[in-house]
Amino acid sequence: DGGITQSPKYLFRKEGQNVTLSCEQNLNHDAMYWYRQDPGQGLRLIYYSQIVNDFQKGDIAEGYSVSREKKESFPLTVTSAQKNPTAFYLCASSADREKTSGRGYEQYFGPGTRLTVT
Amino acid sequence: DAKTTQPPSMDCAEGRAANLPCNHSTISGNEYVYWYRQIHSQGPQYIIHGLKNNETNEMASLIITEDRKSSTLILPHATLRDTAVYYCIVRVGFYNAGKSTFGDGTTLTVKP
Repeated sequence: DGGITQSPKYLFRKEGQNVTLSCEQNLNHDAMYWYRQDPGQGLRLIYYSQIVNDFQKGDIAEGYSVSREKKESFPLTVTSAQKNPTAFYLCASSADREKTSGRGYEQYFGPGTRLTVT
Repeated sequence: DAKTTQPPSMDCAEGRAANLPCNHSTISGNEYVYWYRQIHSQGPQYIIHGLKNNETNEMASLIITEDRKSSTLILPHATLRDTAVYYCIVRVGFYNAGKSTFGDGTTLTVKP
């Protein structure tokens, strides 16, 4: 089945450690995204990538880093510089439908990784 | 991209239609309206999108006003499993990926 996988579902780390969250998609989508969600709040964009080897900062990129070496993978590293890393992290992808149909497009989300840093 | 305004919460009786409003008064002519929902502790799920015509799929209907300044998502026969946070967003398209935002959405509670 096609979809987006994120691993692990729950992650625990000690303060001061870097941690990498995995995101893989087999939908052949061009774009991938990382969002952060805090309790009771909406999603905030961390980074996004619209093509391999290129990515852009979102609204809250400080303390995070990403890479896009392969179309299907977009790992997110939460560095020790991130002041409040405990959160629910969501990865998403979307196709570039404008190249074909000219219509809009939708994002497909993974199940998320809940990171707890103590 | 245009910002959206949604009521923070709504209730709906099971089996009745749920009508979720969204205001996007600053929407531009080439921006689409998208709706997603997020069931507790899961990733958001795409529901429907539209530009200016009303749209319907197996999950819901989307009604966009003629001036495109607001829209309504309609779940025709709400079930308990439709209890979720519903997000309305607008965006131009692929090459403006970083400019659409998910606000706090509307928490829909379907009651028996």
